[in-house]
Amino acid sequence: DIQMTQSPSSLSASVGDRVTITCRASQAITHYLAWYQQKPGTVPKLLIYAASTLQSGVPSRFSGSGSGTDFTLTISSLQPEDVATYYCQNYHSVPLTFGGGTKVEIK
Amino acid sequence: EVQLLESGGGLVQPGGSLRLSCAASGFTFRSYYMIWVRQAPGKGLEWVSGISNSDGSAYYEDSVKGRFTISRDNSKNTVYLQMNSLRTEDTAVYYCAKPMATFGWYGINYWGQGTLVTVSS
Repeated sequence: DIQMTQSPSSLSASVGDRVTITCRASQAITHYLAWYQQKPGTVPKLLIYAASTLQSGVPSRFSGSGSGTDFTLTISSLQPEDVATYYCQNYHSVPLTFGGGTKVEIK
Repeated sequence: EVQLLESGGGLVQPGGSLRLSCAASGFTFRSYYMIWVRQAPGKGLEWVSGISNSDGSAYYEDSVKGRFTISRDNSKNTVYLQMNSLRTEDTAVYYCAKPMATFGWYGINYWGQGTLVTVSS
């Protein structure tokens, strides 16, 4: 099974800061990676698929990069509404494992 | 409009069984793989099981293999998760989910509202 390791597990940043979350796969998954945002009490929302393609309707301050085993989600300018937990997911092969999550808070 | 409506959750004793259902609408159900994801209270997302669209090939996370069975009825636009030999660690909200594209595994663009399964004596 492919293990997905996210870091950090939590972070606190100021409004306007650039925020970076990393996700590492235990084996190469080419570009078969998705990022989700989950706000408290809500279902996850797809932000990015194919490692770097922005889902329709997602603000352009979100971006994704990487391939193979190392991936990054970047928020270019953190906004109050971005407070959430972010998850990466491998969809290269089953089981379609999720990372452990990164909780983003405002400082 | 895509809708995924789960049902069947509830309180069950350890060792018991439950059958979750997910009624889908608003898309061509028979063309999509379908997925169950769970989230224990205060914890992260965990992929539980998935099923292909046509031949019904089923896939499971290791901790549920041999205990859970996923199935689908394309005539009823419904996917099921039969859960047997339930353990306290199976306590979670169970989400039915749809990939964003047909005939394969992709990012998940639609989620049901979730159904809570509580395993406790």
